[in-house]
Amino acid sequence: QSVLTQPPSVSAAPGQKVTISCSGSSSNIGNNYVSWYQHLPGTAPKLLIYDNNRRPSGIPDRFSGSKSGTSVTLAITGLQTGDEGDYYCATWDSSLSGGVFGGGTRLTVL
Amino acid sequence: HVTLRESGPALVKPSQTLTLTCTFSGFSLSTSGMSVTWIRQPPGKALEWLARIDWDDDKYYIASLKTRLTISKDTSNNQVVLTMTNMDPVDTATYYCARMRLIATTYFDYWGPGTLVTVSS
Repeated sequence: QSVLTQPPSVSAAPGQKVTISCSGSSSNIGNNYVSWYQHLPGTAPKLLIYDNNRRPSGIPDRFSGSKSGTSVTLAITGLQTGDEGDYYCATWDSSLSGGVFGGGTRLTVL
Repeated sequence: HVTLRESGPALVKPSQTLTLTCTFSGFSLSTSGMSVTWIRQPPGKALEWLARIDWDDDKYYIASLKTRLTISKDTSNNQVVLTMTNMDPVDTATYYCARMRLIATTYFDYWGPGTLVTVSS
């Protein structure tokens, strides 16, 4: 049971938009920055979003993040087949004094 | 150019101690705001944060494994070592090390390729 809650799966057609939610509490998302990671098969996880809504250099603006209270959302527009994989939210939990991940969301591009 | 790479045994027996080494380049763990963390992923399961060591030698561990984990750093050789005692088959996982950025934020910006550790007799 992960500290952060994500939907197990989402799907959409190529070119469409999908959103992935991540909910937590005041000890984690509510008072700390959140990051998002893309984990494609056979590769290491890759940073997509940091500080809730900032993109590292090289990440296309098709990927965006937002935060409201104790929840965050990752949006992906213009879906491509290469986007298929697992997506994780993560943050620091001040009560646990440890890092926490969501359970991961499997994205399928139909 | 930042890189990290994990090394260690691919197979350990139950009850043994696992020692993993993260060798990195492109940054110094003596620089303020830098940290190296360990994360694992059991087959078919989610990522799980394990431990972190900071530039000032502060250390943090996941509560459920705190008694079994030890993280340390060798700044001069750019290495971070994680030891996990009393290994069990449920500890079978791909283990990743990652650079963690601190100072008013927390995120993992560079990851190693991971190393698969199987616990079996």
